[in-house]
Amino acid sequence: QQQVKQSPQSLIVQKGGISIINCAYENTAFDYFPWYQQFPGKGPALLIAIRPDVSEKKEGRFTISFNKSAKQFSLHIMDSQPGDSATYFCAASNLKRRGYSTLTFGKGTMLLVSP
Amino acid sequence: GAGVSQSPSNKVTEKGKDVELRCDPISGHTALYWYRQSLGQGLEFLIYFQGNSAPDKSGLPSDRFSAERTGGSVSTLTIQRTQQEDSAVYLCASSLRGRTPQEDTEAFFGQGTRLTVV
Repeated sequence: QQQVKQSPQSLIVQKGGISIINCAYENTAFDYFPWYQQFPGKGPALLIAIRPDVSEKKEGRFTISFNKSAKQFSLHIMDSQPGDSATYFCAASNLKRRGYSTLTFGKGTMLLVSP
Repeated sequence: GAGVSQSPSNKVTEKGKDVELRCDPISGHTALYWYRQSLGQGLEFLIYFQGNSAPDKSGLPSDRFSAERTGGSVSTLTIQRTQQEDSAVYLCASSLRGRTPQEDTEAFFGQGTRLTVV
């Protein structure tokens, strides 16, 4: 059972455009939703994260939108740049479950920002 | 300080051989995770260590896989009798787990070990 579904699998965006990646989850116990960015040959790195008590979080050009009732969240990259080309993973976790809060990941989206 | 360190960075092994992958977490981080990343797939959870608690091994795909964490620090993932389907990037992550969720920090990943079974 895939608990976090991510789409699209790949995305090509022109420089300056908006990149949008969507994720949906099933487990209502999830209470922490991070996005990770991974460059080739590197491990994933935390990009931005949101808790379900807010509907949106913005950090620079990156914004997470969260819809608790629909159990969906998305990453928006404004003014996309070639340096943003990477694989993006959404994830979900339950931080309230003490001693055990592994991250459940989506399958990733390969983003290519064309110059 | 240094981040999460994994070794080796690449490992090619013959089918049927055993391999050991090592992870040095960030100093002071009590939680340690192993994930597997296969081509075109997301990150598959394997095992989780938290302090002195019994590890959560629920993600290990078979009894050929095992892991230990000595002294609450370094961890070793062992794959016995490797198969071609074991070929993947094995990622280790660590995080600081506090007494409350607010004291928890993000998980920091190492660069991974790329395992190729031929």
